Amino acid sequence: GAVVSQHPSRVICKSGTSVKIECRSLDFQATTMFWYRQFPKKSLMLMATSNEGSKATYEQGVEKDKFLINHASLTLSTLTVTSAHPEDSSFYICSAIGSDEQFFGPGTRLTVL
Amino acid sequence: AQSVTQPDIHITVSEGASLELRCNYSYGATPYLFWYVQSPGQGLQLLLKYFSGDTLVQGIKGFEAEFKRSQSSFNLRKPSVHWSDAAEYFCAVGASGGYQKVTFGTGTKLQVIP
Repeated sequence: GAVVSQHPSRVICKSGTSVKIECRSLDFQATTMFWYRQFPKKSLMLMATSNEGSKATYEQGVEKDKFLINHASLTLSTLTVTSAHPEDSSFYICSAIGSDEQFFGPGTRLTVL
Repeated sequence: AQSVTQPDIHITVSEGASLELRCNYSYGATPYLFWYVQSPGQGLQLLLKYFSGDTLVQGIKGFEAEFKRSQSSFNLRKPSVHWSDAAEYFCAVGASGGYQKVTFGTGTKLQVIP
Protein backbone atom coordinates (compact mmCIF):
# COMPACT_ATOMS: atom_id res chain seq x y z
CA GLY A 1 0.00 0.00 0.00
CA ALA A 2 0.85 3.65 -0.17
CA VAL A 3 3.40 4.95 2.28
CA VAL A 4 3.63 8.25 4.10
CA SER A 5 6.82 9.11 5.92
CA GLN A 6 7.55 11.70 8.55
CA HIS A 7 10.86 13.19 9.57
CA PRO A 8 12.07 13.39 12.21
CA SER A 9 10.41 10.64 14.23
CA ARG A 10 11.25 12.44 17.44
CA VAL A 11 12.75 15.79 18.29
CA ILE A 12 13.71 17.55 21.47
CA CYS A 13 14.18 21.28 21.39
CA LYS A 14 14.60 24.23 23.71
CA SER A 15 11.77 26.60 24.42
CA GLY A 16 11.70 29.47 21.95
CA THR A 17 13.20 27.59 19.03
CA SER A 18 11.38 26.52 15.87
CA VAL A 19 11.00 22.96 14.69
CA LYS A 20 10.17 21.74 11.20
CA ILE A 21 8.44 18.41 10.59
CA GLU A 22 8.33 16.92 7.11
CA CYS A 23 5.60 14.73 5.71
CA ARG A 24 6.20 12.90 2.44
CA SER A 25 4.02 10.68 0.30
CA LEU A 26 6.55 8.19 -1.00
CA ASP A 27 4.80 6.50 -3.89
CA PHE A 28 1.88 8.70 -4.78
CA GLN A 29 1.03 12.33 -5.28
CA ALA A 30 -1.13 14.01 -2.70
CA THR A 31 -2.85 17.28 -3.43
CA THR A 32 -4.23 17.24 0.09
CA MET A 33 -2.47 16.38 3.31
CA PHE A 34 -3.70 16.71 6.86
CA TRP A 35 -1.90 17.53 10.07
CA TYR A 36 -3.12 16.09 13.35
CA ARG A 37 -2.05 16.43 16.94
CA GLN A 38 -2.46 13.58 19.36
CA PHE A 39 -2.40 14.05 23.11
CA PRO A 40 -1.87 11.13 25.52
CA LYS A 41 -5.09 9.19 26.03
CA LYS A 42 -6.79 11.51 23.59
CA SER A 43 -7.99 11.24 20.05
CA LEU A 44 -6.32 12.78 17.04
CA MET A 45 -7.20 16.41 16.67
CA LEU A 46 -7.20 17.82 13.16
CA MET A 47 -5.05 20.93 13.08
CA ALA A 48 -5.11 21.90 9.45
CA THR A 49 -5.64 20.79 5.88
CA SER A 50 -2.65 21.33 3.67
CA ASN A 51 -3.37 21.99 0.01
CA GLU A 52 -0.62 21.86 -2.60
CA GLY A 53 0.08 25.26 -4.03
CA SER A 54 -2.27 27.17 -1.78
CA LYS A 55 -2.64 28.26 1.80
CA ALA A 56 -3.49 25.73 4.43
CA THR A 57 -6.91 25.69 6.04
CA TYR A 58 -6.67 25.76 9.81
CA GLU A 59 -9.20 24.37 12.27
CA GLN A 60 -10.77 26.65 14.81
CA GLY A 61 -8.46 27.35 17.71
CA VAL A 62 -5.25 26.47 15.86
CA GLU A 63 -2.88 29.42 15.52
CA LYS A 64 -1.74 29.66 11.92
CA ASP A 65 1.19 31.88 12.83
CA LYS A 66 2.29 29.34 15.40
CA PHE A 67 1.94 26.28 13.20
CA LEU A 68 3.19 27.17 9.74
CA ILE A 69 2.27 24.75 6.99
CA ASN A 70 3.85 24.67 3.56
CA HIS A 71 2.74 22.24 0.86
CA ALA A 72 5.21 23.12 -1.85
CA SER A 73 4.98 19.94 -3.90
CA LEU A 74 2.64 17.05 -4.50
CA THR A 75 4.73 14.81 -2.24
CA LEU A 76 5.83 17.10 0.57
CA SER A 77 4.13 19.09 3.27
CA THR A 78 5.95 20.66 6.19
CA LEU A 79 4.74 21.78 9.59
CA THR A 80 6.87 24.31 11.42
CA VAL A 81 6.20 24.89 15.08
CA THR A 82 7.46 28.41 15.66
CA SER A 83 8.78 29.64 18.99
CA ALA A 84 7.94 26.32 20.55
CA HIS A 85 6.95 26.12 24.21
CA PRO A 86 6.51 23.14 26.53
CA GLU A 87 2.75 23.13 25.92
CA ASP A 88 3.48 22.40 22.24
CA SER A 89 4.98 19.06 23.25
CA SER A 90 2.87 16.42 21.58
CA PHE A 91 2.67 13.75 18.94
CA TYR A 92 2.14 15.21 15.48
CA ILE A 93 0.76 13.03 12.71
CA CYS A 94 0.30 13.79 9.04
CA SER A 95 -1.81 12.00 6.50
CA ALA A 96 -2.30 12.10 2.77
CA ILE A 97 -5.15 11.12 0.51
CA GLY A 98 -4.31 8.63 -2.20
CA SER A 99 -6.24 5.91 -4.05
CA ASP A 100 -9.43 6.78 -2.19
CA GLU A 101 -7.86 6.17 1.17
CA GLN A 102 -6.24 8.27 3.87
CA PHE A 103 -2.71 7.12 4.62
CA PHE A 104 -1.03 8.17 7.85
CA GLY A 105 2.56 8.86 8.67
CA PRO A 106 4.17 7.22 11.71
CA GLY A 107 4.13 10.46 13.67
CA THR A 108 6.67 12.82 15.19
CA ARG A 109 7.15 13.10 18.93
CA LEU A 110 8.00 16.70 19.83
CA THR A 111 9.33 17.49 23.27
CA VAL A 112 9.97 21.11 24.16
CA LEU A 113 12.14 21.68 27.20
CA ALA B 1 -20.93 18.70 14.71
CA GLN B 2 -20.04 15.04 14.55
CA SER B 3 -18.57 13.13 17.47
CA VAL B 4 -17.35 9.64 18.28
CA THR B 5 -17.39 7.78 21.57
CA GLN B 6 -15.31 4.74 22.34
CA PRO B 7 -16.47 3.79 25.83
CA ASP B 8 -13.71 1.27 26.50
CA ILE B 9 -10.31 2.80 27.13
CA HIS B 10 -8.58 -0.52 27.64
CA ILE B 11 -9.62 -4.10 26.87
CA THR B 12 -7.81 -7.32 27.64
CA VAL B 13 -8.65 -10.56 25.85
CA SER B 14 -7.08 -13.97 25.68
CA GLU B 15 -5.49 -15.09 22.46
CA GLY B 16 -8.05 -17.03 20.44
CA ALA B 17 -11.00 -15.37 22.10
CA SER B 18 -13.49 -13.21 20.25
CA LEU B 19 -13.30 -9.44 20.33
CA GLU B 20 -15.77 -6.61 20.08
CA LEU B 21 -14.74 -2.97 20.33
CA ARG B 22 -17.54 -0.51 20.76
CA CYS B 23 -18.03 2.71 18.86
CA ASN B 24 -20.94 5.14 18.97
CA TYR B 25 -21.17 8.17 16.78
CA SER B 26 -23.22 11.31 16.52
CA TYR B 27 -23.89 12.79 13.10
CA GLY B 28 -26.99 14.27 11.55
CA ALA B 29 -26.81 12.61 8.16
CA THR B 30 -25.52 9.28 6.91
CA PRO B 31 -22.01 9.04 8.28
CA TYR B 32 -18.80 7.84 6.77
CA LEU B 33 -17.33 5.48 9.36
CA PHE B 34 -13.84 4.11 9.80
CA TRP B 35 -11.81 1.88 12.03
CA TYR B 36 -8.07 2.37 12.25
CA VAL B 37 -5.36 0.51 14.12
CA GLN B 38 -2.25 2.20 15.49
CA SER B 39 0.81 0.21 16.44
CA PRO B 40 3.85 1.75 18.13
CA GLY B 41 6.16 3.37 15.63
CA GLN B 42 3.73 2.93 12.77
CA GLY B 43 1.10 5.12 11.25
CA LEU B 44 -2.59 4.50 11.60
CA GLN B 45 -3.72 1.77 9.27
CA LEU B 46 -7.22 1.55 7.88
CA LEU B 47 -8.95 -1.67 8.90
CA LEU B 48 -12.26 -1.01 7.21
CA LYS B 49 -14.70 1.70 6.25
CA TYR B 50 -18.40 2.16 5.68
CA PHE B 51 -19.68 4.68 3.18
CA SER B 52 -22.92 3.06 2.02
CA GLY B 53 -24.46 -0.26 1.06
CA ASP B 54 -24.13 -3.46 3.06
CA THR B 55 -24.08 -2.59 6.74
CA LEU B 56 -21.73 -5.47 7.58
CA VAL B 57 -18.29 -4.48 6.41
CA GLN B 58 -15.36 -6.81 6.03
CA GLY B 59 -11.88 -5.48 6.57
CA ILE B 60 -8.30 -6.57 6.65
CA LYS B 61 -6.75 -8.93 9.19
CA GLY B 62 -10.03 -10.74 9.75
CA PHE B 63 -11.88 -7.76 11.21
CA GLU B 64 -15.46 -6.81 10.48
CA ALA B 65 -17.79 -4.08 11.65
CA GLU B 66 -21.52 -3.58 11.54
CA PHE B 67 -23.22 -0.24 11.01
CA LYS B 68 -26.40 0.01 13.05
CA ARG B 69 -28.17 3.24 12.34
CA SER B 70 -30.82 2.70 15.03
CA GLN B 71 -28.12 2.42 17.67
CA SER B 72 -25.69 4.92 16.12
CA SER B 73 -23.04 2.27 16.45
CA PHE B 74 -20.23 0.84 14.39
CA ASN B 75 -18.71 -1.91 16.53
CA LEU B 76 -15.58 -3.73 15.44
CA ARG B 77 -15.41 -7.50 15.78
CA LYS B 78 -12.98 -10.31 15.28
CA PRO B 79 -13.87 -13.96 15.97
CA SER B 80 -10.41 -15.05 17.13
CA VAL B 81 -7.79 -12.60 18.35
CA HIS B 82 -4.09 -13.09 17.67
CA TRP B 83 -1.26 -11.73 19.82
CA SER B 84 -0.28 -9.46 16.95
CA ASP B 85 -3.63 -7.68 17.23
CA ALA B 86 -2.45 -5.92 20.39
CA ALA B 87 -2.57 -2.23 19.49
CA GLU B 88 -4.66 0.90 19.81
CA TYR B 89 -7.87 1.03 17.82
CA PHE B 90 -9.59 4.20 16.70
CA CYS B 91 -13.09 4.63 15.41
CA ALA B 92 -13.71 7.68 13.28
CA VAL B 93 -16.61 9.43 11.59
CA GLY B 94 -16.44 11.67 8.56
CA ALA B 95 -18.82 14.13 7.03
CA SER B 96 -19.77 14.10 3.38
CA GLY B 97 -16.78 13.77 1.11
CA GLY B 98 -15.22 10.83 2.86
CA TYR B 99 -11.92 11.84 4.36
CA GLN B 100 -12.49 15.52 4.93
CA LYS B 101 -13.27 16.60 8.47
CA VAL B 102 -12.80 13.18 10.00
CA THR B 103 -13.35 13.07 13.77
CA PHE B 104 -11.60 10.38 15.78
CA GLY B 105 -12.61 8.68 18.99
CA THR B 106 -10.25 8.53 21.94
CA GLY B 107 -9.16 5.01 21.12
CA THR B 108 -9.30 1.60 22.76
CA LYS B 109 -6.09 -0.08 23.74
CA LEU B 110 -6.23 -3.81 23.19
CA GLN B 111 -4.06 -6.13 25.23
CA VAL B 112 -3.85 -9.80 24.24
CA ILE B 113 -2.77 -12.31 26.85
CA PRO B 114 -1.55 -15.83 26.07
